[in-house]
Amino acid sequence: KAGVTQTPRYLIKTRGQQVTLSCSPISGHRSVSWYQQTPGQGLQFLFEYFSETQRNKGNFPGRFSGRQFSNSRSEMNVSTLELGDSALYLCASSWTSPGGDTQYFGPGTRLTVL
Amino acid sequence: AQSVTQLGSHVSVSEGALVLLRCNYSSSVPPYLFWYVQYPNQGLQLLLKYTTGATLVKGINGFEAEFKKSETSFHLTKPSAHMSDAAEYFCAVSEGEYGNKLVFGAGTILRVKS
Repeated sequence: KAGVTQTPRYLIKTRGQQVTLSCSPISGHRSVSWYQQTPGQGLQFLFEYFSETQRNKGNFPGRFSGRQFSNSRSEMNVSTLELGDSALYLCASSWTSPGGDTQYFGPGTRLTVL
Repeated sequence: AQSVTQLGSHVSVSEGALVLLRCNYSSSVPPYLFWYVQYPNQGLQLLLKYTTGATLVKGINGFEAEFKKSETSFHLTKPSAHMSDAAEYFCAVSEGEYGNKLVFGAGTILRVKS
């Protein structure tokens, strides 16, 4: 069974631009979560989607947004990029509510903002 | 909000020696606890998880962890380190209405010396 896939794997943008990252969950998984990983702040939760609805959101500004499609694929968007948005963005999927269910992570998208 | 503390940002062991990575969490109720491993330029891979039941949890690659409620700890151990164990390890606890948000510790980089 294919794992979580994320595209693109690497991305370079300049300040002020916007970016869209894509995540395809494991087949059958309906929950998709996004995390930001930086050397300074570590791994931080961005948001989680289930059946096209955002169920939980982390403490990030409104420039960070996401959505989920009917096939459970998810995208996240960052508008008006700042240098501090440079990070590894990880997507994770699970069957239903992650609660005790395992979240399976993709390889991440490395975003560099110049 | 919950928090996770990993004692020691770097741990160095000799090949064949015991691996002990420490994790303490703050929670007033029994949590769901996880250990993930991250190799360079990769996503997170689940090593093991505790939900309910047996407090000694066995995971992949010979790792195990013991949930100790009285100490609010979930330390990760492996009897004999292998060179391939060199990576960064993250302890996490789930929270949120649906348990759908992972709160991670800062991570511990494990170095294995030959």
